[in-house]
Amino acid sequence: EDQVTQSPEALRLQEGESSSLNCSYTVSGLRGLFWYRQDPGKGPEFLFTLYSAGEEKEKERLKATLTKKESFLHITAPKPEDSATYLCAVSVIYGGSQGNLIFGKGTKLSVKP
Amino acid sequence: KAGVTQTPRYLIKTRGQQVTLSCSPISGHRSVSWYQQTPGQGLQFLFEYFSETQRNKGNFPGRFSGRQFSNSRSEMNVSTLELGDSALYLCASSLGRGTQETQYFGPGTRLLVL
Repeated sequence: EDQVTQSPEALRLQEGESSSLNCSYTVSGLRGLFWYRQDPGKGPEFLFTLYSAGEEKEKERLKATLTKKESFLHITAPKPEDSATYLCAVSVIYGGSQGNLIFGKGTKLSVKP
Repeated sequence: KAGVTQTPRYLIKTRGQQVTLSCSPISGHRSVSWYQQTPGQGLQFLFEYFSETQRNKGNFPGRFSGRQFSNSRSEMNVSTLELGDSALYLCASSLGRGTQETQYFGPGTRLLVL
């Protein structure tokens, strides 16, 4: 069964304290891995798409990396406005889940000033 | 460019009623997917429409249905509402088929079933 697991469930950081969020996946065949940010009461906001192991993408204080088993979202010197829930999702090539995104439960990030 | 829009934003219904939610994709996007988000289950795939045809369906009962119009706008319907249907319903659009393109989400419709 295709699965996506995110850790930790919640993360509290001080402003400026860098850290990483983890997304591990077990799928029949990975087509792509997506990172989204979701603020309370809003829809997920697209951040990155990664397609192959070794790929990296950056945007401001965020950097996403991908291996054959997991992805990391690195947050460098976070600010309070980075506080949100970060969601990881995969799309697969084969099997019953083909044609939809499979989401992890998310990591709720809080950054204190 | 305008993003994905969903109407209504909030809805309160009672058990047994039915509800229709609407989604307008980003201009030029032809694929629309629907997701249910709850605190316990997270985001779960409902169905995907492309060129007015349902291309894929998640593991939800037949009470959940949808359709897509020629202008790519989509609606989803839930009949005989149950308390467990209370959730945030999210619509996402992409240029092509969902797995081949990045999906962009709307703000969601918050449904409360009493």
